[in-house]
Amino acid sequence: AQSVTQLDSHVSVSEGTPVLLRCNYSSSYSPSLFWYVQHPNKGLQLLLKYTSAATLVKGINGFEAEFKKSETSFHLTKPSAHMSDAAEYFCVVGGNQFYFGTGTSLTVIP
Amino acid sequence: ETGVTQSPTHLIKTRGQQVTLRCSSQSGHNTVSWYQQALGQGPQFIFQYYREEENGRGNFPPRFSGLQFPNYSSELNVNALELDDSALYLCASSLWDRRENIQYFGAGTRLSVL
Repeated sequence: AQSVTQLDSHVSVSEGTPVLLRCNYSSSYSPSLFWYVQHPNKGLQLLLKYTSAATLVKGINGFEAEFKKSETSFHLTKPSAHMSDAAEYFCVVGGNQFYFGTGTSLTVIP
Repeated sequence: ETGVTQSPTHLIKTRGQQVTLRCSSQSGHNTVSWYQQALGQGPQFIFQYYREEENGRGNFPPRFSGLQFPNYSSELNVNALELDDSALYLCASSLWDRRENIQYFGAGTRLSVL
């Protein structure tokens, strides 16, 4: 069985400060892990994907995530938040079937 | 833009009615997955179609059914609508043969059941 837990339902940061969105996963085998972002009235957009090639994964718009097997974590980070980053973020585990976390709503304060 | 289009964008139905949602997959993709996203929740897997055959199903009752056509577009049908079926329905396409397993999502159809 596979699942993900997003540890924060809401995160609020000031523009220009770092972003950390936390995700723990559960998988009985080597997982494929993803982060997707959902802006209001828009579809889900892929930020990045981990498939065991490298533990530090770089994505679009300055986001990156680090896979830590010992901690079963796949946290999403960005050095400096931008107003346009305000959105809902989903951590996902899965192969042909995706298992989504409950989402983290990111607010960026000007 | 992902190249995945869904129609309609919004739909209002009454309890007991039937609804059909449509999805055009990204060019070159042969797999379509459907998800239900209730308000404030993450998407839940309904089922997946690969080359016109169902290729996995989540915990949804049989009144949720689907089709995939030879051009790999897809339909989601829901019979005997219930109030709890109100949600955003997302379609995602992917290319199964490359085992890339990245799913590209459409903007969704928002269904309201009254």
